[in-house]
Amino acid sequence: SQKIEQNSEALNIQEGKTATLTCNYTNYSPAYLQWYRQDPGRGPVFLLLIRENEKEKRKERLKVTFDTTLKQSLFHITASQPADSATYLCARPVIFKTSYDKVIFGPGTSLSVIP
Amino acid sequence: GAGVSQSPSNKVTEKGKDVELRCDPISGHTALYWYRQSLGQGLEFLIYFQGNSAPDKSGLPSDRFSAERTGGSVSTLTIQRTQQEDSAVYLCASSAINYGYTFGSGTRLTVV
Repeated sequence: SQKIEQNSEALNIQEGKTATLTCNYTNYSPAYLQWYRQDPGRGPVFLLLIRENEKEKRKERLKVTFDTTLKQSLFHITASQPADSATYLCARPVIFKTSYDKVIFGPGTSLSVIP
Repeated sequence: GAGVSQSPSNKVTEKGKDVELRCDPISGHTALYWYRQSLGQGLEFLIYFQGNSAPDKSGLPSDRFSAERTGGSVSTLTIQRTQQEDSAVYLCASSAINYGYTFGSGTRLTVV
């Protein structure tokens, strides 16, 4: 069955630095991967979707990569700010190459940006 | 409304009672999902509705759990004879095709 693994340890970085979070998946490469942010007591908020034929996608200070050879996605936050502190979740669809599908979520990586 | 609305936001119930959780998705989103999240844990898939297709119930943990979606819009998740292990935050999400999910704020269920 498919699995998603993320940085198991919490990540602490200094304000202004680039945070890099890792998402590794098993079995076949999904048609896309999603990244979400979750704050305590709130539901996840969708950030970015990257398709398997896209090597990289950017949105403001966020950058996501998708490496089907390594079966890995990297999530970067440049010029990090304390407001970026949250848990970041990686998600993949369960069924291969469908437009609609349920996704499974990784356990999340807790990021703390220290002023 | 502009977002996914869930009610109630908090629910405390006695063990053995039935509970109903409601989700009002974004208008026009044909896909609706229920997940639950236990304290400090990841999101666990429960059930998925897509248009008029039969729902994907593969994540429901037991036959005490059921869900329906009326008129392709509002969904209700029902838990019968609640147990303490059912305590969690129940999250609903909806999505448009080829896009990310929009989650509600969740219902925090506590079974005492």
